[in-house]
Amino acid sequence: DTEVTQTPKHLVMGMTNKKSLKCEQHMGHRAMYWYKQKAKKPPELMFVYSYEKLSINESVPSRFSPECPNSSLLNLHLHALQPEDSALYLCASSRETGGYGYTFGSGTRLTVV
Amino acid sequence: SQELEQSPQSLIVQEGKNLTINCTSSKTLYGLYWYKQKYGEGLIFLMMLQKGGEEKSHEKITAKLDEKKQQSSLHITASQPSHAGIYLCGADVGSGSRLTFGEGTQLTVNP
Repeated sequence: DTEVTQTPKHLVMGMTNKKSLKCEQHMGHRAMYWYKQKAKKPPELMFVYSYEKLSINESVPSRFSPECPNSSLLNLHLHALQPEDSALYLCASSRETGGYGYTFGSGTRLTVV
Repeated sequence: SQELEQSPQSLIVQEGKNLTINCTSSKTLYGLYWYKQKYGEGLIFLMMLQKGGEEKSHEKITAKLDEKKQQSSLHITASQPSHAGIYLCGADVGSGSRLTFGEGTQLTVNP
C-alpha cells in the first residue's frame, strides 16, 4: 500500500458545526503533515507530527485541532470555522521528517457556510 | 520573502512542443521535489533531487538540480494534453521538516 487516504473528499459545514477530517497511511511512515491550500495558491504547512507527537504548529488558529491516535492515522478536528477557512486540506506522510520524500493524499475540499 | 521562485507562472504550448519550468532559491536546497496537481486534487509526486548536478528522467519529463543546488529545472519533451496541470516545486527548508512550495506553474497544452 503506497497511498495516503483522506476522507471525506468533500465537506460542507456551518460555522457552528464540529467536524473531523481523517488521514490514513499504511506505509510505516512516522511523520505526517496537514497542509491547507487556497485556490490558485501553493499548499501551506499547518502541522507536523513525528512519531505521533506534534512537532510543528505553524501558528494555526485553535479552531483547528490535530490529533495523531497512532502511527497510521491523523485527524484534523474542526470547530467554529469561518468562511475564509474554506480550502483544500491535504495530508501527507514521509518515512521520517527531513528529506525522505513526501506522499500526499487527494485532499478534502472543505466549504464553510 | 518567497523561499522558492518559480517561473513562468503560466505556460501555454502547442502539443508536441518542448517546455521548461524553473525553480530558484536564494538558499542551498537539500531536497528538491517536483509535483503535479490537477485543479482541486492531490499532489502527484514526479521526482526528488538531492545531489548537485543530479538529473532524473521519467517518460518525457526530466528534472535537473544545478551544481550549486540553488536552481532546478523541469523539462517536458514533446508535450501532450495529459501533461496539462499545475507544476509545483517544493523544498525542505529550515530544520528539514517544512516542505515549502513555489507558487506553481499552470501548464496548458493545446491539441
